[in-house]
Parts: sequence; C-alpha cells; structure tokens
Amino acid sequence: NAGVMQNPRHLVRRRGQEARLRCSPMKGHSHVYWYRQLPEEGLKFMVYLQKENIIDESGMPKERFSAEFPKEGPSILRIQQVVRGDSAAYFCASSPGVESAQHFGDGTRLSIL
Amino acid sequence: GQQLNQSPQSMFIQEGEDVSMNCTSSSIFNTWLWYKQDPGEGPVLLIALYKAGELTSNGRLTAQFGITRKDSFLNISASIPSDVGIYFCATNQAGTALIFGKGTTLSVSS
Repeated sequence: NAGVMQNPRHLVRRRGQEARLRCSPMKGHSHVYWYRQLPEEGLKFMVYLQKENIIDESGMPKERFSAEFPKEGPSILRIQQVVRGDSAAYFCASSPGVESAQHFGDGTRLSIL
Repeated sequence: GQQLNQSPQSMFIQEGEDVSMNCTSSSIFNTWLWYKQDPGEGPVLLIALYKAGELTSNGRLTAQFGITRKDSFLNISASIPSDVGIYFCATNQAGTALIFGKGTTLSVSS
C-alpha cells in the first residue's frame, strides 16, 4: 500500500483514554476517507474530508469521535473516552479526486483494555 | 443502508485451479471495485470498473461489470499460493463513500 501512511500501526488504550490515529495521504491526494473494520467484516465508511473541510461524516458516531484534515499535516481521527467496542482496525484511504479510486493505508489496530 | 452480497463467503482450492467469485446488489451503481486484503494490511485495489458490460483484466485476474449494473464478478486463473487473502468488492455511493461487501476468503493449497 505504497503512499498512504498511517500511524501508529498498533495502539493500545485503557477505557476512558483518548486515541489519536494519523493518516498522511498519497502525494497529490487531497481527499481523505476513514473506515472501520471489525473482525471478519468488510470496511464501514466513517468520514470523508477534503483539506480543512468535512464533506461527509454520516458514518461517524455523533459522540466521542471527531476527524480533521488541517491545511498542513496529516488527517487525524480522534476517539475520546474510548470503550471496549471501539476496538477495531481503522483504515484511511486517499484519492486525487472524488471520482477517482481510493487507495488504502495499512491501518491502525486499536485495542481497548 | 445499501448492501453488497458477496459469494462465496470462503473458498478452498488447489494451486493451479481457476476461481470465480461475485458480488450483487439490489441497487444500480456506476462503479465496481475489487480489492484484496492480506492479513495485517490494508485493501489493495486490483481492478476498477466504470462502465456497464466492461470486462477488464489485470494479469491472471479478470473482472466484469454486469450489464444490469447490479453485479460484478472476479475470476482468478491458475491460482498460486500468494493469491491467498480476502477479496472485497466495493462500489461508490454518490461518488464518495465506498460500500464494501463482507469479502470472500480464499485459501490455496499447494
């Protein structure tokens, strides 16, 4: 998955802590998407951002979850006051345009103790 | 919400065999994408289809966009051990969020 960089690859948090997941899109890509994958499931859309703007957050829980894609720096998915049910693999994808195919990073595996 | 139905859920084949899997929907879409995911990694785009009836090949992989725009299939010819993984179909809803099927897990024995 050359190009889309996600870190950390693995993140362990205790219940109630905050989790911050970072995504740097491929060079030249200004569209970023976040997805969540539970074991043995397909990926589920969470949020779509384009530099400094949230375009579609229809798949993101209304509470505790937020996302940003600042003018400079990576996109951040933040989960506040994590609970056990937040344990999942979180993938970021990027594309150069809204009609272009999305390319994925290798994900962040979040484990909640 | 809209769902993509992938079948079969899993396949166990011998090296050298051909493989076929498909994806159906009750809705019409303008794009069909096929991704492969290896353990611990993100999905990798294999083939993208943008036109009803389109047939596209990528090495030993061939995919077709169904004429009704409600289905797609992926064929792998002469399978090899590194074909092992989970294959997902996906499509675009309103050109933004991808909807994924639940995947077909492929196992290849040599």
